[in-house]
Amino acid sequence: SQELEQSPQSLIVQEGKNLTINCTSSKTLYGLYWYKQKYGEGLIFLMMLQKGGEEKSHEKITAKLDEKKQQSSLHITASQPSHAGIYLCGADYDTDKLIFGTGTRLQVFP
Amino acid sequence: EPEVTQTPSHQVTQMGQEVILRCVPISNHLYFYWYRQILGQKVEFLVSFYNNEISEKSEIFDDQFSVERPDGSNFTLKIRSTKLEDSAMYFCASSGQVTGELFFGEGSRLTVL
Repeated sequence: SQELEQSPQSLIVQEGKNLTINCTSSKTLYGLYWYKQKYGEGLIFLMMLQKGGEEKSHEKITAKLDEKKQQSSLHITASQPSHAGIYLCGADYDTDKLIFGTGTRLQVFP
Repeated sequence: EPEVTQTPSHQVTQMGQEVILRCVPISNHLYFYWYRQILGQKVEFLVSFYNNEISEKSEIFDDQFSVERPDGSNFTLKIRSTKLEDSAMYFCASSGQVTGELFFGEGSRLTVL
């Protein structure tokens, strides 16, 4: 089984709707990173959440880390076509690397 | 805004050939990484590099792979004898801290025929 699971695998929403993507770790997280990837392109950093649990917001995106559950959620309010892409969570397990989840493909239609 | 640049953007090679993928990390960064993404699959860690040596590598990073920082700006990934299964997008990343944000390049797509 994967050490970092994302759900759902894919999401299709109508423009203006809210949505949530989840990322659950089977091991203790020292940090959790959210990235966005457009198809065939590089990863763009969105947010980093520290061990201990925290919540951050940027524009219409809010991310939370629940330390008890070792789970993070990414919430998009009033989605727009520009939000479309693949959302990846990356786990810091106190090693010299990030481990990425399987990704959530988001499509937003007008 | 500073960025990580990678060349080539796409390379096609014959099985068994050597390939070098090049990366120019952000200039004041100290930590460098290579990841790969096979089409339709997750982004997988290959290797991390700090202070002119490998700090960690994955099972994928076998003897066919090597990394080098030949000068103060470039960071390269060499695959000695490519296999069909090496076909993937290879991403270079750099960071200013060991547990900081990773800045990714746009990737180099390798196709092995």
